[in-house]
Amino acid sequence: GDSVTQMEGPVTLSEEAFLTINCTYTATGYPSLFWYVQYPGEGLQLLLKATKADDKGSNKGFEATYRKETTSFHLEKGSVQVSDSAVYFCALLNSGGGADGLTFGKGTHLIIQP
Amino acid sequence: DGGITQSPKYLFRKEGQNVTLSCEQNLNHDAMYWYRQDPGQGLRLIYYSQIVNDFQKGDIAEGYSVSREKKESFPLTVTSAQKNPTAFYLCASTPFGFNQPQHFGDGTRLSIL
Repeated sequence: GDSVTQMEGPVTLSEEAFLTINCTYTATGYPSLFWYVQYPGEGLQLLLKATKADDKGSNKGFEATYRKETTSFHLEKGSVQVSDSAVYFCALLNSGGGADGLTFGKGTHLIIQP
Repeated sequence: DGGITQSPKYLFRKEGQNVTLSCEQNLNHDAMYWYRQDPGQGLRLIYYSQIVNDFQKGDIAEGYSVSREKKESFPLTVTSAQKNPTAFYLCASTPFGFNQPQHFGDGTRLSIL
C-alpha cells in the first residue's frame, strides 16, 4: 500500500537558519503530494502541493519539489522564524482518485529558537 | 467565511459511555473524513463518506460509527467498544474531483474520566 516517511523530530533550529524536512513516499501510479502544517491545538492547514513530477509547490517562503526519480518531496525554507514552529505533515493522494483520503507521514515537530 | 466546524473542542467520556463528535462544513464539499491523531503516529483514517447516505470504513473503524444524512454534516460516535478513545479527532472535507486537497477543522480532544 501507499506510505509516506518523514524525518523524525523534533527538529530544533535557530531563527534565520535554513530548513529541510525530508519526505519520501511509496505509491502506485502518480500521486499528488502535499505538505500540511499544524499549530498547537489546531487542525491541519494546507501549506503547499504538487500534482505531477518536477512541479514545485511554494507558499509563505516554503518550497518543495516533486521528485519522481527519488520519490521525494522535501520541504525547504531559506530563513525560518519563531512563528514557523509547528508540526509539519507530508501526505500523498493516490492517483486512483484518493477516495479513501490522504496517506500521511507521522509528522515532524519543528522548534525555532530566537 | 466557509469552513469546517468541529464541536466541542474538548470532550470527556466516562467508562462505558458513547459520545458523539460533531462536524459541519459549509464549503459544499462532497467528501468528508474522520481521522484520529495520536502523538508520534500521525493521522489515521477512521471513516469516510463520498456522498450522502453512504460511508466506508477506514483503517481503524472498530469502536466507531458515523452517519451522513446531510451533505454538510458527518458526526462521529465513539462507542464504549473503543477501548482507547483518548486522542485528538480531526474532521476533513474535499470537493469532488482528483487531486483536491483536504480542508480540516480545528479538532476535538477526547479524554477519559
